[in-house]
Order: sequence, then C-alpha cells, then structure tokens
Amino acid sequence: GAGVSQSPSNKVTEKGKDVELRCDPISGHTALYWYRQSLGQGLEFLIYFQGNSAPDKSGLPSDRFSAERTGGSVSTLTIQRTQQEDSAVYLCASSKRWDRQETQYFGPGTRLLVL
Amino acid sequence: AQSVTQLGSHVSVSEGALVLLRCNYSSSVPPYLFWYVQYPNQGLQLLLKYTSAATLVKGINGFEAEFKKSETSFHLTKPSAHMSDAAEYFCAVSEGSSASKIIFGSGTRLSIRP
Repeated sequence: GAGVSQSPSNKVTEKGKDVELRCDPISGHTALYWYRQSLGQGLEFLIYFQGNSAPDKSGLPSDRFSAERTGGSVSTLTIQRTQQEDSAVYLCASSKRWDRQETQYFGPGTRLLVL
Repeated sequence: AQSVTQLGSHVSVSEGALVLLRCNYSSSVPPYLFWYVQYPNQGLQLLLKYTSAATLVKGINGFEAEFKKSETSFHLTKPSAHMSDAAEYFCAVSEGSSASKIIFGSGTRLSIRP
C-alpha cells in the first residue's frame, strides 16, 4: 500500500510569508506526527495527533506554528510570517494507533527554505 | 525527561569491517527504543525496535542492537559493513508511559571506505 506522502517536496518562500505543508498518512493510521530536521541537527518533535485532536502542542516552536487534522486523515502544518530560522526539512509520520511501541512510518519530508 | 545521546556524529569504517554505533538513553520508565536510518535524500525508515521482549533485537539489512539496562545503552551493530550502509542513523526513545512522542538522538553519519 501507499506510504506517507507529503507535499510540496520543496518550498522556497520569502521571509514574512505564510506557508502550508501537507501530510497524507497511511490509510487507517490514527496517529500522526510532525517533526522538524534542521541542517546539522537531529529531529525535533513538533506535534502529534490522536485522531483529529492534538493533546500535546508543547513542541511547537512559537505561536506562528499551528497544525490541524481533519477527518482523521490529512494534516496541515501552517507557519505564519516565516523567518529564516524556520528553514528545515519538515517530516510527517503516522502509526496505526497511539501507542509508544508502535512503529512510526515517515514521509519523505518537505524541504522549506525561507529567503 | 527522557533523552538520547549518540556518541560520535560521524563514524567511518572500511567495507567489511564491524559497524558499531553507540546510543545511550535516560528514562524514568521502562523504555521503548528504536533505531531509524535515513539514506541520502530519503525519509526515515525503521531498522529495529526494542519493546521489552528479547534484549537482542535483529533488524533489517543485517543490523542488530542489544538493550543493556545496566549500561542504559542500545548500541547498533553490524558484523560486516557494506557500501550501501552509508547513511544517517538515529537512535530514539519513546517518552512517557502513555504518550507516543519519540525523542531522537542527534544522529550519526556512517561512511564506508572502499
């Protein structure tokens, strides 16, 4: 079956613009996760969804970042008034259910460059 | 809070040599531990995971890792390196008794010398 897909694969934007990143999880997966991978750094957890709700938003870097998930499927990560430090690869993952031993399947990522 | 430390941001070995990537964790609850691999220009994929069953875990591509509670370690090994093993490897621990948030290490880049 299809894996996790993300769009766009690459995004170049100007500082101050808003961007939307999309994630399509594996069909039937109830849990969805967003991570950020900055150049030379590890993976930084941003937010996760159990169904359509996000119990833990503590990983979002600032109030410019928001995420939503509708219909228990597609999720959108929105960054408002982008800054150069937002440049990174944004990774989405999904798992069958919300359980810490469940394998998370990752998408290819969206590479964001803020000029 | 749980954390993961990967010793060595870059490891280089000769083709056919032993691969050893080090990972130490801290956790106040029994951990679930993972190794992920990221090949160039690709997404992360799971190599193997420890979920409190056997302490020696075998994964894909000939990799294995051993959970050692006394040393709080989960080192990744492969007896004989292959050129195709060149990639970035991430150790991760699952946080909390009920949450699914994964804490990742900073990664180790593995290079293979011909």
